[in-house]
Amino acid sequence: NAGVTQTPKFRVLKTGQSMTLLCAQDMNHEYMYWYRQDPGMGLRLIHYSVGEGTTAKGEVPDGYNVSRLKKQNFLLGLESAAPSQTSVYFCASSYEAGTSGANVLTFGAGSRLTVL
Amino acid sequence: DAKTTQPTSMDCAEGRAANLPCNHSTISGNEYVYWYRQIHSQGPQYIIHGLKNNETNEMASLIITEDRKSSTLILPHATLRDTAVYYCIVSATAGNNRKLIWGLGTSLAVNP
Repeated sequence: NAGVTQTPKFRVLKTGQSMTLLCAQDMNHEYMYWYRQDPGMGLRLIHYSVGEGTTAKGEVPDGYNVSRLKKQNFLLGLESAAPSQTSVYFCASSYEAGTSGANVLTFGAGSRLTVL
Repeated sequence: DAKTTQPTSMDCAEGRAANLPCNHSTISGNEYVYWYRQIHSQGPQYIIHGLKNNETNEMASLIITEDRKSSTLILPHATLRDTAVYYCIVSATAGNNRKLIWGLGTSLAVNP
């Protein structure tokens, strides 16, 4: 049981290049999320998904696209990378607790992206 | 979701209890209090959560005041490996995870 796995762990891009970060979870969770974390700031939600085939914008969605074609995978794409997208990206997943009840996020180890 | 207030940093001696406070005075009746920690740029790790009652698990204890406006995370016997940033968050259901406000947390340094 690997939990949440992110690939790649590190990547260096040039401005204007594109890339995709892959998040995979083996816990059969309904919800998946992509966050970014920058120095001096808390985690900020980029996009999230409430189930296979669905995606929605979070707090800072501009410059990113996502897809959830399979329940276990959530992809984050950068079509034209910018230096402002240099960050550490975390994927997380959680189960659907219904209209009440607690809920817990499980995070991946992170992907460190540098855009030159 | 309600906002939380935590001290920026704290120190604790190894082997002693670490008590991390959190203020959440605007918490709603259906919101849980969650604690996560992040060790040196790793992904955040869930520690514990509670609604009204105090909770304990193998990692920590969570003490929630009767009015639910504040809580304390207790690491009973802190070790060097507990050095991390601790986040206190309040939230309702899974669907509201998209509204979680992750502040800067409390940076706990456990000293030998």
